[in-house]
Amino acid sequence: EIVMTQSPATLSVSPGERATLSCRASQSVADHLAWYQQKPGQAPRLLIYAASTRATGIPARFSGSGSGTEFTLSISSLQSEDFALYYCQQYYNWPPLTFGGGTKVEIK
Amino acid sequence: EVQLMESGGKLIQPGGSLRLSCAASGFTFSNYIMTWVRQAPGKGLEWVSSISGTGISTYYIDSVKGRFTVTRDNSRNTVYLQMNTLRAEDTALYYCAKLGRRPTEGWMDMWGQGTLVTVSS
Repeated sequence: EIVMTQSPATLSVSPGERATLSCRASQSVADHLAWYQQKPGQAPRLLIYAASTRATGIPARFSGSGSGTEFTLSISSLQSEDFALYYCQQYYNWPPLTFGGGTKVEIK
Repeated sequence: EVQLMESGGKLIQPGGSLRLSCAASGFTFSNYIMTWVRQAPGKGLEWVSSISGTGISTYYIDSVKGRFTVTRDNSRNTVYLQMNTLRAEDTALYYCAKLGRRPTEGWMDMWGQGTLVTVSS
């Protein structure tokens, strides 16, 4: 099973600043990596797939990068609606599909 | 508009059985892998099960193998999760999600709102 590890667990950022979230895989997943956003009381929403491709309707301030075992989700100029939980997920070798533990982006 | 709507969750005693349903609309249902993901209260996301577009191939997380069964009815655009011998640790919000056409397209581009399963005496 590929274990996904996200850091930090909580990220405190001021509105308008840049946020950088990390995701590490226990073995290479090539670019088979997705990012999701989840707000309280809502279902997750796909942000990024194939490590760097934005999903339909996702603003350009969200960007993904990385390959192999190290990945980054960047959110430039944080908006109020971006404060949420973020999860990474690998789909390189499954089952099982595996998620990271999540990073909470909170207002500083 | 692509939509997924889960139903069937409720409070149930340990050892009991439950069937969840997920009705899909807005896309060619039989072309896509469908998936169940759960989220225990205050916890992260955990993949539970997936089923291929034809229904021939099914996949499960180890902790539910032998207890849960995923099926689909492509004529009704619905996927099901039969849950038997339920345990307290199965308590979670269960989401239905749409994957791609092939296992290499393993991202979940559409999610339902979830249905809550509570296993407690």
